[in-house]
Amino acid sequence: AQKITQTQPGMFVQEKEAVTLDCTYDTSDPSYGLFWYKQPSSGEMIFLIYQGSYDQQNATEGRYSLNFQKARKSANLVISASQLGDSAMYFCAMRGGLYNFNKFYFGSGTKLNVKP
Amino acid sequence: DTEVTQTPKHLVMGMTNKKSLKCEQHMGHRAMYWYKQKAKKPPELMFVYSYEKLSINESVPSRFSPECPNSSLLNLHLHALQPEDSALYLCASSQDYGGLMNTEAFFGQGTRLTVV
Repeated sequence: AQKITQTQPGMFVQEKEAVTLDCTYDTSDPSYGLFWYKQPSSGEMIFLIYQGSYDQQNATEGRYSLNFQKARKSANLVISASQLGDSAMYFCAMRGGLYNFNKFYFGSGTKLNVKP
Repeated sequence: DTEVTQTPKHLVMGMTNKKSLKCEQHMGHRAMYWYKQKAKKPPELMFVYSYEKLSINESVPSRFSPECPNSSLLNLHLHALQPEDSALYLCASSQDYGGLMNTEAFFGQGTRLTVV
């Protein structure tokens, strides 16, 4: 079975600094996708970045990058130059392998607070 | 159009009421999802429709009844709910290419349901 673990319930970061949100996963499937979502207090889940299990390079999308270490089964999100609008809940998710590819499994989330 | 639209945004219902949540997308996605999210928790998968057929039911009580009238619409019919069913209900959609992992789920803003 697939499992996503986020060990940081809450994080604080100073505006304009970088922050790393941790995510580890467990799966026996060789093919899987890893995603990060942002959820502001309004409730909508906003897709940030994707990493495939066979991708050789770490994914980047603007200020977001994913530090993918396949052997360690980790997929940490790095946000550079934090902004006040980055304050939100962040979820790591995995699309569940060849036989469960329509299941998105979510970690417990990390609440990020950006301080001015 | 990369939106998933959910209506209503807020709903208060009594335990004897019957109500429906609606979800619509026009991205041509053939997988659609219902998630339930309690406060400060990750989304929990309830149902998945693939090509308008129910493909996953995560042992959801029968007082929740999903329906997919066509490829753009997804409903969740509610009947005889309990106060503990109060939560944010999120609809999502994604492409369904049979095993491809690199397509994210797009989420709506959710319906905040309160059962009294």
